[in-house]
Amino acid sequence: KAGVTQTPRYLIKTRGQQVTLSCSPISGHRSVSWYQQTPGQGLQFLFEYFSETQRNKGNFPGRFSGRQFSNSRSEMNVSTLELGDSALYLCASSLGDPARGYTFGSGTRLTVV
Amino acid sequence: TQLLEQSPQFLSIQEGENLTVYCNSSSVFSSLQWYRQEPGEGPVLLVTVVTGGEVKKLKRLTFQFGDARKDSSLHITAAQPGDTGLYLCAGAGLSGGSNYKLTFGKGTLLTVNP
Repeated sequence: KAGVTQTPRYLIKTRGQQVTLSCSPISGHRSVSWYQQTPGQGLQFLFEYFSETQRNKGNFPGRFSGRQFSNSRSEMNVSTLELGDSALYLCASSLGDPARGYTFGSGTRLTVV
Repeated sequence: TQLLEQSPQFLSIQEGENLTVYCNSSSVFSSLQWYRQEPGEGPVLLVTVVTGGEVKKLKRLTFQFGDARKDSSLHITAAQPGDTGLYLCAGAGLSGGSNYKLTFGKGTLLTVNP
């Protein structure tokens, strides 16, 4: 079956702009989580959605937001980009039970200049 | 403060050697997962351990969850170049809290030289 698809793979934006990243989970998976990965901080949790509802949110500023659609696809938006937002953004899908593990996409590499 | 401490941070060994990677926390997790990540890709799930004291084997990889569910280890026997990658431990359900997020360690970058 198809894996988790993230688009685009690479993105270059200018400071102050906004960006929208997309994630299509594995068919049948209703949970989508987003993580930010940087060399200094590692993987940090942004938020998790299940059946269009945000169940958990990490410690990121309000510039980071997300949503999930009825087909379980999810988008993540970052407004007023800062240089420090440069990172690999990873999406993970699951059936909803964390104990069964997550399937990650290949990520979107965002560079803010 | 890093909730999950992984050690060592870097490990470079020769093919055929054995190694152990550690993942430690002062907090209890309801489950712990190990992932391997290769450059330019997302992490790939290797195993999930749920019960304190649990041991799971995946070919040459052995995973152990501590009795108190605060720590875990990954042991690789007879490492091969294909084992090269970033090994990440991740905990769910920190101290009985929300299960709906993973807390990651910073990872162990393993290089196996032929």
